[in-house]
Amino acid sequence: DAGITQSPRHKVTETGTPVTLRCHQTENHRYMYWYRQDPGHGLRLIHYSYGVKDTDKGEVSDGYSVSRSKTEDFLLTLESATSSQTSVYFCAISEPLAESYEQYFGPGTRLTVT
Amino acid sequence: RKEVEQDPGPFNVPEGATVAFNCTYSNSASQSFFWYRQDCRKEPKLLMSVYSSGNEDGRFTAQLNRASQYISLLIRDSKLSDSATYLCAVNPGGFPSGGYNKLIFGAGTRLAVHP
Repeated sequence: DAGITQSPRHKVTETGTPVTLRCHQTENHRYMYWYRQDPGHGLRLIHYSYGVKDTDKGEVSDGYSVSRSKTEDFLLTLESATSSQTSVYFCAISEPLAESYEQYFGPGTRLTVT
Repeated sequence: RKEVEQDPGPFNVPEGATVAFNCTYSNSASQSFFWYRQDCRKEPKLLMSVYSSGNEDGRFTAQLNRASQYISLLIRDSKLSDSATYLCAVNPGGFPSGGYNKLIFGAGTRLAVHP
């Protein structure tokens, strides 16, 4: 299994509070991603990073920010949590080689916003 | 139209059956394709990568049909342990300069194998 951990694994928070999720990898992969997974929608990309301090938006980035100050850590912040952000959040990593674009996922964080 | 579409199922099959799932994609420039398996309340795990016409790994065969823009996953001799949701993922544009690896996921097909 790829060396990816996420913390916390479960969190319940109130609307309007800030929340930070952490993804940590030990594989030294350049690319890191945050997805959310909701019933009927599958996995949707929130933000991704292609190196330290290099990040970009995915398809559902509104209400989220990210930071990557070290290769191994990628943080996802919900500045002011809303009930629509209740979801399961997965981090993924990738090290694109010649034709290899596989992504490997962390165990997920289950977030409930009340 | 969604970029990647899958029949949500569920597919209910008996042990030993052969079952096939399809996944259609809308971007004809898509270069690489993947099947992931996801167990309930777990993370997706890579099952197979498909870079050319197809790939085979034991009881699992993935095929790519570029003309009709779909990939398929065939599972032979189904086991109870194959029960899971199968996600397909598509890299929509190959490897652009500056390089990022973007995958578009389908919503998944649920498989239930029964005794």
